[in-house]
Amino acid sequence: DIQMTQSPSSLSASVGDRVTITCRASQGISNDVAWFQQKPGKAPKSLIYAASSLQSGVPSKFSGSGSGTDFTLTISSLQPEDSATYYCQQYNSSPYTFGQGTKLETK
Amino acid sequence: EVQLVESGGGLVQPGGSLRLSCAASGFTFSSYSMNWVRQAPGKGLEWVSYISTGSGNIYYTDSVKGRFTISRDNARNSLYLQMNSLRAEDTAVYYCARRSGHDYWGQGTLVTVSS
Repeated sequence: DIQMTQSPSSLSASVGDRVTITCRASQGISNDVAWFQQKPGKAPKSLIYAASSLQSGVPSKFSGSGSGTDFTLTISSLQPEDSATYYCQQYNSSPYTFGQGTKLETK
Repeated sequence: EVQLVESGGGLVQPGGSLRLSCAASGFTFSSYSMNWVRQAPGKGLEWVSYISTGSGNIYYTDSVKGRFTISRDNARNSLYLQMNSLRAEDTAVYYCARRSGHDYWGQGTLVTVSS
């Protein structure tokens, strides 16, 4: 199985900051990575697919990059509504594993 | 508008069975693969199962193999998850999600396995 190691597990940043969350795959997975945002009590929301493609309707403050084993999600101009838990996922091969999640707090 | 609506969750005793459904609308259901993903209380996301458009390719996470069965009815725009021999550790909110990239998700249905 492919492991997705996500870091950090939690993060606190100020309004206006830019933050980066990383995921490392245990083996090469091309660009088969998605990123999700989840707020308490809500379903996950897709932000990024194919490592760097922005999902329709998602603000351009969210961006993704990477290929192979190392991937990043960057959120620029942080706002209070960006407080959430963020997950990466690989869908290159079954089982389609998720990272452990990053809880982002906006100060 | 793409909509996915799960149903069928509830309280079940250990060893019991449940059948979850996911009703799809707003897109051509038969053209998209589908997934089930679950989230135990206070925990992260766990992918459970995948089914291709014509049901020719089906995958499961190891912990549910032999107990859960994913299926779909393209004529009814519906996805299903038959869950047998349920265990306490299957307690979770179950979501259906569209395609390998999980671009759209339902609101989830809660399954509680407890005596």
